[in-house]
Amino acid sequence: AQSVTQLGSHVSVSEGALVLLRCNYSSSVPPYLFWYVQYPNQGLQLLLKYTTGATLVKGINGFEAEFKKSETSFHLTKPSAHMSDAAEYFCAVSVRVKGTGSQGNLIFGKGTKLSVKP
Amino acid sequence: SQTIHQWPATLVQPVGSPLSLECTVEGTSNPNLYWYRQAAGRGLQLLFYSVGIGQISSEVPQNLSASRPQDRQFILSSKKLLLSDSGFYLCAWSERGGTDTQYFGPGTRLTVL
Repeated sequence: AQSVTQLGSHVSVSEGALVLLRCNYSSSVPPYLFWYVQYPNQGLQLLLKYTTGATLVKGINGFEAEFKKSETSFHLTKPSAHMSDAAEYFCAVSVRVKGTGSQGNLIFGKGTKLSVKP
Repeated sequence: SQTIHQWPATLVQPVGSPLSLECTVEGTSNPNLYWYRQAAGRGLQLLFYSVGIGQISSEVPQNLSASRPQDRQFILSSKKLLLSDSGFYLCAWSERGGTDTQYFGPGTRLTVL
């Protein structure tokens, strides 16, 4: 069965500093992995995803994530934080069943709230 | 391009009243559809998902129900609301047979008093 753990429910950085949001997953089959962002009172917006191929994935708003199989991690980074990056970020893994493929469902982490200080 | 709509955007209802939230998707056919709830401080909880008209899977037993009367329409209902039903309800869709990427609607904020 798949699972996702996001380390740190709250992360605070200064404007211009590196953003690092941690995500570890558990999966018995090659995972599909996702990062979503949610601004207050809005739906979730896809930032980036990894399915197959290149392990360093670039997304919108300058974010990127690297799939590291040996560490079962998919951490989200951005070199320089902007005030507009303040939001909640969710990591997710696809529910995939060995031998039958995907069920189409995602398992979400509990989210990390990012604060950006001026 | 595909778009997903939810309404109403906000709703305040008394305990014991009925509920109907609607979600529609445009620009795609045969999507998988999902209902999630976000309660304060509790992350995303998958409530229902559907792979086709009339096909509903429930993830969490509760006083809510879902229906899919048309291919791109997904409805969340309740006969009698509880205080614990308050939260932010999100509808999402994904392409059947795709990469499982889900695309979310703008959400409905439900407050039960």
